[in-house]
Amino acid sequence: DAMVIQNPRYQVTQFGKPVTLSCSQTLNHNVMYWYQQKSSQAPKLLFHYYDKDFNNEADTPDNFQSRRPNTSFCFLDIRSPGLGDAAMYLCATSRSRVHEQYFGPGTRLTVT
Amino acid sequence: AQSVSQHNHHVILSEAASLELGCNYSYGGTVNLFWYVQYPGQHLQLLLKYFSGDPLVKGIKGFEAEFIKSKFSFNLRKPSVQWSDTAEYFCAVNLNSNSGYALNFGKGTSLLVTP
Repeated sequence: DAMVIQNPRYQVTQFGKPVTLSCSQTLNHNVMYWYQQKSSQAPKLLFHYYDKDFNNEADTPDNFQSRRPNTSFCFLDIRSPGLGDAAMYLCATSRSRVHEQYFGPGTRLTVT
Repeated sequence: AQSVSQHNHHVILSEAASLELGCNYSYGGTVNLFWYVQYPGQHLQLLLKYFSGDPLVKGIKGFEAEFIKSKFSFNLRKPSVQWSDTAEYFCAVNLNSNSGYALNFGKGTSLLVTP
């Protein structure tokens, strides 16, 4: 029944060691999003894909990259994680940009 | 700048009490409005949404929200809360246009319902 799946649920990485988080969806939605959510804060949009069209938020650091090899999968790459990148990373999908978004359970990233 | 404000950051209610969580936004155009809920240890789930039509929308689990355009508000209500409503509630807004893709979230309201 899971519609938006994120793996792993918990990820520990070392300072500066590249890490990749993955997201898959069974909804066949056109749009996939990545959000960063820190404790007691609202989710913050990092970027999204509309089909293969990548849209980066203006204030997303270059350290964060994304790939969408096909409709179902989307990856978040953090090239050199810093301590400040420890957060919950949420993947979401939607049929179009104006429709409601469906969220995955998130990946909690710890940077040591 | 476009923003979403949730006025209550922490709310504590007893079971059977009525709930109203405030949400205001500052957008100039036509908007889509959402309330999401995040139960402890679970992912964000859509509670209800407003795109157009009847400004009083009903969602899951007995929740409803009213869009008041003149007040730029979309307050969430429930007549009688249950212990299982303990969760974080987020109001979110985006523009109803191709360029308005960013879903802006409020900072959230943490609701604790006591037995």
